Amino acid sequence: AQSVTQLGSHVSVSEGALVLLRCNYSSSVPPYLFWYVQYPNQGLQLLLKYTSAATLVKGINGFEAEFKKSETSFHLTKPSAHMSDAAEYFCAVSGRGNTPLVFGKGTRLSVIA
Amino acid sequence: DTGVSQDPRHKITKRGQNVTFRCDPISEHNRLYWYRQTLGQGPEFLTYFQNEAQLEKSRLLSDRFSAERPKGSFSTLEIQRTEQGDSAMYLCASSSTRDISYNSPLHFGNGTRLTVT
Repeated sequence: AQSVTQLGSHVSVSEGALVLLRCNYSSSVPPYLFWYVQYPNQGLQLLLKYTSAATLVKGINGFEAEFKKSETSFHLTKPSAHMSDAAEYFCAVSGRGNTPLVFGKGTRLSVIA
Repeated sequence: DTGVSQDPRHKITKRGQNVTFRCDPISEHNRLYWYRQTLGQGPEFLTYFQNEAQLEKSRLLSDRFSAERPKGSFSTLEIQRTEQGDSAMYLCASSSTRDISYNSPLHFGNGTRLTVT
């Protein structure tokens, strides 16, 4: 069985500040890990994915995440927050073979001018 | 690539009525997924298809829910005798097992928001 835990349901940062959204996973097999972003009344958009290649993964809009097996973590970061980054962010995990994604409960990011 | 399309975007229905939602996946995507998302929660897996075969159903999918993908293209999700607890956003996603990266990411539609009064 697989699961993810997102620490913090709401994170607020100032524009230009570092964004750090935390995700810890649990998986009985080597995991595939994903971060998705959701804007109001829209579906989810893929930010980045980890599939056992490089442990530091770069995604769209300046986001990146680092897979740390020893800490079972896959935290999402962005060096400088922009107002347009305000949205809901979801971490997700799956096993091999395109098994269905299991999502965390999400973290709402607010960016303050 | 026109994206995943879901219809309708919004549906308001009275308790006890039946509703049906449609999802058109990205063409050539052989996998199609249904998720449900309630306010303040992440998407919860309901069921998925590979081509026309329904491969897995979540325990969340009660007997009142049924999904089909008759020709391996579009899919429908029907809820019979709706209850207020069915109010949620129903998300459809598609992916391809033929993607060379193997674990192809899911591409989501904008969802159908169901309100049961």
